[in-house]
Amino acid sequence: DSGVTQTPKHLITATGQRVTLRCSPRSGDLSVYWYQQSLDQGLQFLIQYYNGEERAKGNILERFSAQQFPDLHSELNLSSLELGDSALYFCASSVAVGLLYNEQFFGPGTRLTVL
Amino acid sequence: TQLLEQSPQFLSIQEGENLTVYCNSSSVFSSLQWYRQEPGEGPVLLVTVVTGGEVKKLKRLTFQFGDARKDSSLHITAAQPGDTGLYLCAAHSNSGYALNFGKGTSLLVTP
Repeated sequence: DSGVTQTPKHLITATGQRVTLRCSPRSGDLSVYWYQQSLDQGLQFLIQYYNGEERAKGNILERFSAQQFPDLHSELNLSSLELGDSALYFCASSVAVGLLYNEQFFGPGTRLTVL
Repeated sequence: TQLLEQSPQFLSIQEGENLTVYCNSSSVFSSLQWYRQEPGEGPVLLVTVVTGGEVKKLKRLTFQFGDARKDSSLHITAAQPGDTGLYLCAAHSNSGYALNFGKGTSLLVTP
């Protein structure tokens, strides 16, 4: 158990819909990262927040957005869903953002299926 | 984006065999990490290598960082069914925040 929790575990929805994925980081971790894992693209970085502020963006679509709340939990919002958005979405957390010692702890993921 | 290429993509071996998987790039990294991901779970960090030529051991797993810090290998001795999983190498992006992952080596060890 990494200490990172994600809900829901599974999510099935239809094209065009909007969903929200939730992540609670490990106690004491200020940084939250979101990743998308698909069979063809592998594990790809989407976005990072540190203590409530956006710090870095990766391959995140404009239809996707995220935020980190004062209690440090984070939500990833996916809208106008398409079939290709079906994937595993992981949240990870770390204490800080330093390079060499930035161990990220991953949650169990949310499996999103868009029908 | 720094590209990390992992090989082989799939590996199926019997218990007791040895194996090596590779992570290669044309970029130089300040550090490189190896993760293992089991079905239905998130990746778990195994090791971070920092110095060119560095060798780290974790029980039956031996990790090596290339002298030029562009590549790494993971060697497993006497593989066991519990070693089954997806092995991912990762390096921090140029921004220093996110991790760039290779696509992984999917290992199956059968009894």
